[in-house]
Amino acid sequence: EAGVAQSPRYKIIEKRQSVAFWCNPISGHATLYWYQQILGQGPKLLIQFQNNGVVDDSQLPKDRFSAERLKGVDSTLKIQPAKLEDSAVYLCASSSTWTGTEAFFGQGTRLTVV
Amino acid sequence: AQSVTQLDSHVSVSEGTPVLLRCNYSSSYSPSLFWYVQHPNKGLQLLLKYTSAATLVKGINGFEAEFKKSETSFHLTKPSAHMSDAAEYFCVRGGYSTLTFGKGTMLLVSP
Repeated sequence: EAGVAQSPRYKIIEKRQSVAFWCNPISGHATLYWYQQILGQGPKLLIQFQNNGVVDDSQLPKDRFSAERLKGVDSTLKIQPAKLEDSAVYLCASSSTWTGTEAFFGQGTRLTVV
Repeated sequence: AQSVTQLDSHVSVSEGTPVLLRCNYSSSYSPSLFWYVQHPNKGLQLLLKYTSAATLVKGINGFEAEFKKSETSFHLTKPSAHMSDAAEYFCVRGGYSTLTFGKGTMLLVSP
């Protein structure tokens, strides 16, 4: 079974630039999560999708972050414009249901904003 | 708010000695609970999960955890540490709709 795929693995951008991350979940998984993990901290949920609808985006900084999951499969997370404090690893995960069952994580995208 | 508290930010053990990583949760009902491990520059890997079946849960690589409702705890243990166990460990609770992470415990294993 293929795992969660994310790209790119690494990205370096200047502040105020924009960046996009892509995630392809495990086939058949209805729930998709984006987490932000700042160095030395635990992952923080940014947004959770159930199919192509948003379940929770309460911690997504909507003035600069956006995410979509067209057709309920793969997803894109965008930051525009980036700030220095956005430097982090962005983790995508998927699970088969939305009732807090275990999630399977991708390798993550390490973003450095300079 | 439902939360997860990992009581130690760092735990140091010698190879061959037991491991104990502590986790407490707050909840008004029995949650789903998980332990994930993250090796440097790697993704998060599920070690084990509790979903209201047996209270003693066995996971991969010799790890196990015991769900204690009276203590609202879900501590992770391993009888004998191996150098390859050095990593960061996250206790995670599943709520009605999402997963909430603890702040993590870094496990250091010395020869």
